[in-house]
Amino acid sequence: NAGVTQTPKFQVLKTGQSMTLQCAQDMNHEYMSWYRQDPGMGLRLIHYSVGAGITDQGEVPNGYNVSRSTTEDFPLRLLSAAPSQTSVYFCASSQLAGVLPTYVEQYFGPGTRLTVT
Amino acid sequence: RKEVEQDPGPFNVPEGATVAFNCTYSNSASQSFFWYRQDCRKEPKLLMSVYSSGNEDGRFTAQLNRASQYISLLIRDSKLSDSATYLCAVNENTGFQKLVFGTGTRLLVSP
Repeated sequence: NAGVTQTPKFQVLKTGQSMTLQCAQDMNHEYMSWYRQDPGMGLRLIHYSVGAGITDQGEVPNGYNVSRSTTEDFPLRLLSAAPSQTSVYFCASSQLAGVLPTYVEQYFGPGTRLTVT
Repeated sequence: RKEVEQDPGPFNVPEGATVAFNCTYSNSASQSFFWYRQDCRKEPKLLMSVYSSGNEDGRFTAQLNRASQYISLLIRDSKLSDSATYLCAVNENTGFQKLVFGTGTRLLVSP
């Protein structure tokens, strides 16, 4: 199994450009999420999805859009790139757990390093 | 106050030493807790879940203190390969893994 895959690995954008970061998982996980990681800020949740057709905002959603048309794919779209969006982006997935507290493992993709100039 | 706080370190220890990290969380409703390991320029990977009774996996021991709202990670007999950043993560238990991460504690193990 490939697990969680992300493309591209690296990207440089100019301010105002748009692009889509791709994320796919082959583990049939219902839950998928996008994080950004910045020095001194840790991992911050951008958007998440609990299944196909269902998405919601995380802690830092502004400037990003998501959709979930299939279980496998969860692309993240930057509408108009800004230098403040320079970061490392991680996609993650996990099962949903019916019994609380939940202790399912969250699997991360290898990340996309984005620079906006 | 941040929801999940960690000392960024770095913690510099010699091989064979015992080292401990703490992580405090602000939401008393939090139910499940985790330690992730992140190597430089790599993705985080689950190291341990932290159960309310505490748990151990080889040289690693995780503990939860609900009264003081912190979790801890103890590493015994440190190896060079333990050098990494250790992230704690907290889930408020909405039925799925909507995790809040700390900024991480960097560990450097030297020969």
